[in-house]
Formats: sequence, C-alpha cells, structure tokens
Amino acid sequence: GESVGLHLPTLSVQEGDNSIINCAYSNSASDYFIWYKQESGKGPQFIIDIRSNMDKRQGQRVTVLLNKTVKHLSLQIAATQPGDSAVYFCADRAPGGGGADGLTFGKGTHLIIQP
Amino acid sequence: DAGVTQSPTHLIKTRGQQVTLRCSPKSGHDTVSWYQQALGQGPQFIFQYYEEEERQRGNFPDRFSGHQFPNYSSELNVNALLLGDSALYLCASSLAGTGYGYTFGSGTRLTVV
Repeated sequence: GESVGLHLPTLSVQEGDNSIINCAYSNSASDYFIWYKQESGKGPQFIIDIRSNMDKRQGQRVTVLLNKTVKHLSLQIAATQPGDSAVYFCADRAPGGGGADGLTFGKGTHLIIQP
Repeated sequence: DAGVTQSPTHLIKTRGQQVTLRCSPKSGHDTVSWYQQALGQGPQFIFQYYEEEERQRGNFPDRFSGHQFPNYSSELNVNALLLGDSALYLCASSLAGTGYGYTFGSGTRLTVV
C-alpha cells in the first residue's frame, strides 16, 4: 500500500522558536491531509487539515503548507511552547469506493521543546 | 459532548487467545474506523464500518474482524493472537459524507504474552 512518511524522527527546538515538521506522501490520488498531535498514552489529536485544492491553511499558531507537485506537506508551529511537546503525524486520505476514507499515517516526528 | 470512548484501556492476553475491543463513536458520528499502532510507529488502518458493514479494509489478515451495531458503536475482534499483535488499538469516528472530522479515542493497549 501507499505510505506517508516524515523526514525526521526527532526535532528539538528552543521554547519560543518556530517549528517546522515535514512530511512526504506518495499517493497522487490523495485529496485530504491532516496533521495530528499525539501525547504519551493518548490517541491522536486533530491539529489542522487541508484539502488538495489548497496550498496553505492557517490556524491558531499553526500553518499547514501543501506542495502537490513534489507531494510534500509541512506543519509550522509558531512560538513553540512546552505543551507542544508530542509526536506529530501527518496522514492522507485517498478517496475509496462507496465513500470509504481510511487514513494513511506516517511514522511521526517527536517534537522536543528545550527550555 | 462525549468524544470517542474505548474499552478496556489495557488488556493482557496469551498467544492463541481471542480478544474483543469496544468503541463508542462521538455523538453525531456514524462511521467507525479501527487502527493499529505499534510502538514507535504511526497508526495503520485496519478497517472502516458504516451502516453496520465493513466498507474498506487495510492490509490485515482475516484474524481481524469487526462489527458495527445499530447505535453506531463497534467492536474489533482478533483471533489466534500473536505476539506481534501487541499494540495500541485506536478507534476513530466520523460523519459519512462530510469528508473530514475524524476523532480518535485514547485507544486500548493490548499486550500479548
């Protein structure tokens, strides 16, 4: 099957700096992309999403960029805080028959915030 | 408004046994998907249930089966457990036709010994 992968398993940043987490996907049919945050012992928590007809979407302190030409996705977190420490996953969805829409996840990037 | 609830939170089983995990979707959601997350890995799609039928399946053997009830809740069954089935099993719910809004539960940690 297709897979969505992240470039770095670990990213360490200083508190207050901006963080950029990258992801490459392989399925050209994917039309929807999501970033999730997962803290230890918890399920993935939705951060932000973007559809394939967009190339940028902004939320509160987060921005997702989508480059369909090179099948690349990135998550930017502004003014990183200690509470941002977690594993971040990108996921994509390719339309399935009958409306089915299972997600394909990458392996994740562990974001570590240095004080 | 309750989110996705899963039970039990932790479970220990012996190789060869069978296990049933349960999921109640978020209020207003009608579609349930199950994912397996091995330690240090991203979640892997097992299958998705809608209108009490499996409508999509990932690359998992027939030992993995499921069910969805009229109230949209769901069960995941795994037969003939292997050590490699040890993982966090996540349930996600969504509303069909919207194309977005997946909500995950906190998962069931299954350990096979």
